[in-house]
Amino acid sequence: EVLLVESGGGPVQPGGSLRLACVGSGFPFSEYSLNWVRQAPGKGLEWLTHVGAGNYMWFADSVKGRFSASRDNAKNSIYLQMNSLRVDDTAVYFCTRDKYWASDYWGQGTLVTVSS
Amino acid sequence: QSALTQPPSASGSPGQSVAISCTGTSSDIGASDHVSWYQQHPGKAPKLIIYEVDQRPSGVPDRFSGSKSDNTASLTVSGLQTEDEADYYCCSFGGKNNWVFGGGTKLTVV
Repeated sequence: EVLLVESGGGPVQPGGSLRLACVGSGFPFSEYSLNWVRQAPGKGLEWLTHVGAGNYMWFADSVKGRFSASRDNAKNSIYLQMNSLRVDDTAVYFCTRDKYWASDYWGQGTLVTVSS
Repeated sequence: QSALTQPPSASGSPGQSVAISCTGTSSDIGASDHVSWYQQHPGKAPKLIIYEVDQRPSGVPDRFSGSKSDNTASLTVSGLQTEDEADYYCCSFGGKNNWVFGGGTKLTVV
């Protein structure tokens, strides 16, 4: 069974930093690209970053320069480092597996709340 | 990276068919066959129901179908069932190594 489990969310003050993690299991992790997607409360989905199987990365303009990503295939994990957080970064952050340029499996999400 | 345009709401009665549109540009939907659709029930993670414009993942009922014409993609749900009541999002791979989602459509089965 394919599983993706996010962690690392929580409350943070504006301007602060947070590092999210996503652990995958049930599939050959190193062979797949993964994405981070977020959803603000009551809002729609927003793609943030693509972490390629070859360790290349693409970012949405909205987070370029503030967010970075990495992967550790030995730990079946990808990470999202979020800096200079703003109130409008408050959202549930999902990790997804990429297949056929779509997200075929999603984690349960981790909530990030940016507030003073 | 403007969001794709979806109607905010759609509705239909059990057994009927409903179509949800998703309009983009010549840089995203118009230039890509990498169009996908997601179903999201309240409090749950989204679920992939269509990929590559018209392909269904294993386990997704054939009541769900997708299509594309020029810069507009469409999701059709046939034989509506009460459990189809959910939010639906379209998504397209864009021309600048990015993905863009639609704003979402709330489908009500009345």
